[in-house]
Amino acid sequence: DAGVIQSPRHEVTEMGQEVTLRCKPISGHNSLFWYRQTMMRGLELLIYFNNNVPIDDSGMPEDRFSAKMPNASFSTLKIQPSEPRDSAVYFCASSIDRVHNEKLFFGSGTQLSVL
Amino acid sequence: DAKTTQPPSMDCAEGRAANLPCNHSTISGNEYVYWYRQIHSQGPQYIIHGLKNNETNEMASLIITEDRKSSTLILPHATLRDTAVYYCIVRPFSGGYNKLIFGAGTRLAVHP
Repeated sequence: DAGVIQSPRHEVTEMGQEVTLRCKPISGHNSLFWYRQTMMRGLELLIYFNNNVPIDDSGMPEDRFSAKMPNASFSTLKIQPSEPRDSAVYFCASSIDRVHNEKLFFGSGTQLSVL
Repeated sequence: DAKTTQPPSMDCAEGRAANLPCNHSTISGNEYVYWYRQIHSQGPQYIIHGLKNNETNEMASLIITEDRKSSTLILPHATLRDTAVYYCIVRPFSGGYNKLIFGAGTRLAVHP
C-alpha cells in the first residue's frame, strides 16, 4: 500500500488567497484526521471524519477553515482567505478502526507558507 | 485525558539501548499508553501501545510500572535513524471516539 498520500507537498501562497490541501487515505480505512503542526503549538487535531462524516471539528480554528470528505478515498482541507498565521505543516492521517483508532497512519504532510 | 510528562531531550550512543521515560501519574483505569515518533519532516509514526502488561514488537518494548503511573519505551539497539521526537500519549481505550493528543515529546538524538 502506498500509505496516506497528501498533496501538494509544499504550497506557497499570498495572504488572502484560497488554499486547498488534499489527502488520499489508505484504502479500507474508515477514519480520517487532519492535524496541523507549528513550532509554537505543536501537533493539533483539526477535524476527524468517520465513514466520510465529520464527527469532531472542534479543533478547526475558525470559519476560514473547512474540510470535506466526499468519498472514502479523498478529503480536502480548505483555507479561505489564508493568513500568514496559517503557515504550518498540515498532516492527514487515517485509521482502520473507528472504535479504537489506536494506530494512526500519517501522510508526509503539506508545508504551507502564507506570505 | 491524563497528562504526560517527558524529558525534553535525550542522547544515546548508536548501538546502545535508548530508554525513554514517561510520567503519567494521573492515568485512569481505562487509559492506555501509546507511543509515536516523528522523524524530521515526516508525519508521526505509531510505535507501540499497552495497558498494564509489558509489550514488545519489532520496533520497541514498552515497560509499564505496576502502579501504571509511569512507563519506559525501550529501543534495544538504537541507530542513527532512530533520531526523532518521541511522543508518549495516554488515551481511553473504550468504545467511541477518543482524540489522540500530542504533547511536546522527547527529542532523542542518537550519535555515532
